[in-house]
Amino acid sequence: AQSVTQPDIHITVSEGASLELRCNYSYGATPYLFWYVQSPGQGLQLLLKYFSGDTLVQGIKGFEAEFKRSQSSFNLRKPSVHWSDAAEYFCAVGAPDSNYQLIWGAGTKLIIKP
Amino acid sequence: NAGVTQTPKFRVLKTGQSMTLLCAQDMNHEYMYWYRQDPGMGLRLIHYSVGEGTTAKGEVPDGYNVSRLKKQNFLLGLESAAPSQTSVYFCASREIRLESDEQFFGPGTRLTVL
Repeated sequence: AQSVTQPDIHITVSEGASLELRCNYSYGATPYLFWYVQSPGQGLQLLLKYFSGDTLVQGIKGFEAEFKRSQSSFNLRKPSVHWSDAAEYFCAVGAPDSNYQLIWGAGTKLIIKP
Repeated sequence: NAGVTQTPKFRVLKTGQSMTLLCAQDMNHEYMYWYRQDPGMGLRLIHYSVGEGTTAKGEVPDGYNVSRLKKQNFLLGLESAAPSQTSVYFCASREIRLESDEQFFGPGTRLTVL
């Protein structure tokens, strides 16, 4: 069965420091991969996605993610975080053979230290 | 263009009461989804629809019913609410285009069942 693991429930980073949020998935083939962000009290917004091609994808708000097939990972990165990046981040996997339903990770809450 | 809207935003029910959550989208999307979000569990799919007049069960459908009588609306019903249905409910619609696949989320409905 497909699954998505976000190993870190929460991460604390100082403002201006770099960030990496981890996402590992379990799926027999190459899935579609997504990162969404949820600000407090809000719905989810798409940050970036990977379907095929270049394994390093750029997203909104200065985020990027790299698909590593050998590690079944799709980690999210940002070189310098801002206080406004404090939010919860969700990794999701979509499989073409499941009517494009998404399987979601449990989320990582990002806390920014001033 | 309002995107995806959900009503109500908050609701408190007593055990055994019924209610309907309304999701509306003005983007002419075929696919719509209902999720529930619980702490530490990410998003779980309740039901989804691939077009007007069609619905299908997701991961956690028990205790819920849905209807998609009009393309723009997707209703989620609780016939007899239980405390285990206390959650935040998100609706999403999905855009599929060449080289693009994105779910757009509503702001959520926070439901408490006493």
